[in-house]
Amino acid sequence: AQSVTQLGSHVSVSEGALVLLRCNYSSSVPPYLFWYVQYPNQGLQLLLKYTTGATLVKGINGFEAEFKKSETSFHLTKPSAHMSDAAEYFCAVTKGNTGFQKLVFGTGTRLLVSP
Amino acid sequence: GAVVSQHPSWVICKSGTSVKIECRSLDFQATTMFWYRQFPKQSLMLMATSNEGSKATYEQGVEKDKFLINHASLTLSTLTVTSAHPEDSSFYICSAITSQNTGELFFGEGSRLTVL
Repeated sequence: AQSVTQLGSHVSVSEGALVLLRCNYSSSVPPYLFWYVQYPNQGLQLLLKYTTGATLVKGINGFEAEFKKSETSFHLTKPSAHMSDAAEYFCAVTKGNTGFQKLVFGTGTRLLVSP
Repeated sequence: GAVVSQHPSWVICKSGTSVKIECRSLDFQATTMFWYRQFPKQSLMLMATSNEGSKATYEQGVEKDKFLINHASLTLSTLTVTSAHPEDSSFYICSAITSQNTGELFFGEGSRLTVL
């Protein structure tokens, strides 16, 4: 079975500081991993995804994540936080061998950015 | 990118009534759509997978008679919450995948249901 653990329900950073959101996964098959962002009362927007190939994945808005199989991690980073980055972030892994379809989401991490 | 739209964005209804939420893919054909439920400050829980022209596949623990899903065309799936009760109040989100299976799910903006 697939599962995702996001450490820290809230992360607070100052504007301009490094953003690090942690995600660890469990998967019985090679995983496809995703990071989504959700703004209040909105749906989810894909930030980036890892399927195969290069383990360092770059996404939109300056975010990137690195797939580390040995650590079963897929942490999300951004060198310099911006106020507009404040949102809820979800890590997700595909459910079983379903390709890109069924996703299992983590519980989310709310990023707070202070001036 | 592909656009998925949900309607209504907000709905308030009385207990015992039924509510229909629509999920439309505006600029692509969606062979498969997914319905999720999100409780406050929690993650998304997959409720069901909806394939055009066939019955939806429900996740374990989801009442199929309570949450009726219809995927009548390649651009529209509907979720009907029947005989709604206050515990059905939640944020419902749909997503769709294109027939090209490009590796991305496209999410609707969500529909917030409040049952009084």
